[in-house]
Amino acid sequence: QKEVEQNSGPLSVPEGAIASLNCTYSDRGSQSFFWYRQYSGKSPELIMSIYSNGDKEDGRFTAQLNKASQYVSLLIRDSQPSDSATYLCAVNTGRRALTFGSGTRLQVQP
Amino acid sequence: DGGITQSPKYLFRKEGQNVTLSCEQNLNHDAMYWYRQDPGQGLRLIYYSQIVNDFQKGDIAEGYSVSREKKESFPLTVTSAQKNPTAFYLCASTKEGTLDYGYTFGSGTRLTVV
Repeated sequence: QKEVEQNSGPLSVPEGAIASLNCTYSDRGSQSFFWYRQYSGKSPELIMSIYSNGDKEDGRFTAQLNKASQYVSLLIRDSQPSDSATYLCAVNTGRRALTFGSGTRLQVQP
Repeated sequence: DGGITQSPKYLFRKEGQNVTLSCEQNLNHDAMYWYRQDPGQGLRLIYYSQIVNDFQKGDIAEGYSVSREKKESFPLTVTSAQKNPTAFYLCASTKEGTLDYGYTFGSGTRLTVV
């Protein structure tokens, strides 16, 4: 079992819709969770971090964390074509470095 | 502006050559990391360093070497022992040596074997 799992996609949504990206992790001791957006050929950029159970909202983005079920999700409201990218889930398991999922490719159709 | 600078942006390596990728940060971050990304895959940890003059192997260190002689610099050498080095290489750093704030990434180096 991979430590951090994501559906590779592509996830295709129409412009203006809500995109829902999911991530599961295996280490129950994981402490902090991050979503990075990566455009093709570019480096990842941090868009959300979440540390405690529940929802955290920042503009059109909402991160959701459920430690009992070991999943973290990212909702993107009013999706725009500029949101088309790969979204990487990263987890701090308390060890030496962040552990990344393989990413979910999001396509927003105009 | 503070940030991480990786150079070069593109690098071509011949068979049997060693090449060095540069990573410099002016964020005063203590910890620095090297990751490798292959197409359609996530990031895999090569090496990391939490303080000057100390570094640790990550999950895929074979065929790579690093040094950390200065806080600002963490160069990665891809040696001829690395048989499949074609990939996108990312350098990252963290604030105050903790992972709670996530990483700041450099812009990456794309290495191709010719």
